[in-house]
Amino acid sequence: EIVLTQSPGTLSLSPGERATLSCRASQSVPTNYLAWYQLKPGLAPRLLIFGASTRATDIPPRFSGSGSGTDFTLTISRLEPEDFAVFYCHQYGTLPYTFGQGTKLEFK
Amino acid sequence: EVQLVQSGVEMKKAGESLKISCKASGYSFTTYWIAWVRHMPGRGLEWMGLIYPDDSETRYSPSLQGQVTFSVDKSTSTAYLQWNTLRASDSGMYYCGRLGLSAGSPPRYWGQGTLVTVSS
Repeated sequence: EIVLTQSPGTLSLSPGERATLSCRASQSVPTNYLAWYQLKPGLAPRLLIFGASTRATDIPPRFSGSGSGTDFTLTISRLEPEDFAVFYCHQYGTLPYTFGQGTKLEFK
Repeated sequence: EVQLVQSGVEMKKAGESLKISCKASGYSFTTYWIAWVRHMPGRGLEWMGLIYPDDSETRYSPSLQGQVTFSVDKSTSTAYLQWNTLRASDSGMYYCGRLGLSAGSPPRYWGQGTLVTVSS
């Protein structure tokens, strides 16, 4: 099983700042099948990025993904108030698929 | 429009059985894998497994093998998640999600979630 470790656990920033979230895999993720989700209380997960770097439909360009192999990054270039939530990376390259433990993005 | 509508809040006791549902509409139900994901209190998302509605092929997370059962009813385009014996540790929010055209794709469409509370 591929274990995904996200860092930091909590990120305290202000609107307008840049957020950089990391996801490290215990082994290489095949075909870079790595996605990022945003989760807010009471809502379903929202797919942001798939294939490590492709934005999902209707996701604003301030969200970008990068990385390959075992190291992946989600960057939010300029934070908007609605961006504050918990973010999860998810690998779907090898069964069993797995999620990271999450990074909470909170207001500073 | 793709929609996944899940059944409502469940409050059960340990030892009871439960079957929750995920009704799909707006696409060909048998063509896309369905994933089940849970979000337990104070913890992150956990991938539970997949089912392919056309032939009910399943892939379970090893940590859940034997504890839950996935099934579908093609006549009603509904996927199910079932427990025969609930435990208090099964409490949490359960989501169904629809993958892309292959199992090697992440869920983009999700149900609204079913909250399950199990008392001991």
